[in-house]
Amino acid sequence: TQLLEQSPQFLSIQEGENLTVYCNSSSVFSSLQWYRQEPGEGPVLLVTVVTGGEVKKLKRLTFQFGDARKDSSLHITAAQPGDTGLYLCAGGGWGGSNYKLTFGKGTLLTVNP
Amino acid sequence: GAGVSQSPSNKVTEKGKDVELRCDPISGHTALYWYRQSLGQGLEFLIYFQGNSAPDKSGLPSDRFSAERTGGSVSTLTIQRTQQEDSAVYLCASSTSGLTGEQYFGPGTRLTVT
Repeated sequence: TQLLEQSPQFLSIQEGENLTVYCNSSSVFSSLQWYRQEPGEGPVLLVTVVTGGEVKKLKRLTFQFGDARKDSSLHITAAQPGDTGLYLCAGGGWGGSNYKLTFGKGTLLTVNP
Repeated sequence: GAGVSQSPSNKVTEKGKDVELRCDPISGHTALYWYRQSLGQGLEFLIYFQGNSAPDKSGLPSDRFSAERTGGSVSTLTIQRTQQEDSAVYLCASSTSGLTGEQYFGPGTRLTVT
């Protein structure tokens, strides 16, 4: 069974601070996706990384996929209250099963004004 | 355009009753997924439909769970003889392609079994 462990589970910071969320596994994934979920809504895809060592930047968010394709990180610079939410990482299966995503339990981020 | 819709948004049922949860995917999306999100747990894959192919039911937790997709569009997840451990948010997602398409999630149905 593939497992993805996210840390920290909870994170409460002040507006303007930087933060990093980690996603680790002993399994190798074809891709790694990061989602953000707000209360009462479904997750929304933020990014997909598919190449080991890949780094993607989206405004204040930086995503990295580990060289061995087993881990990933999400770094947010100068966090804002609008960044508050549940951040989920998900690893894709291989070959014909790459649609089958394995999700971590999530990091609940609260950014206080 | 319209996103993935799910109904009902909330469902409270008594233990032992059957429930049906509905998902309307985005028009034109051939792939449809069901997930379960329990308190303190990540999203758990339940079942995957792709076009007319046989569904991948490998994530269904027991034979009390079943799902259908009629006409390649609307899907219904049925839970028979509900148990308290079935209480969770059931999320549906759809994508243009099962292999590469981004999954768009609906808002979920919160099921509470009393």
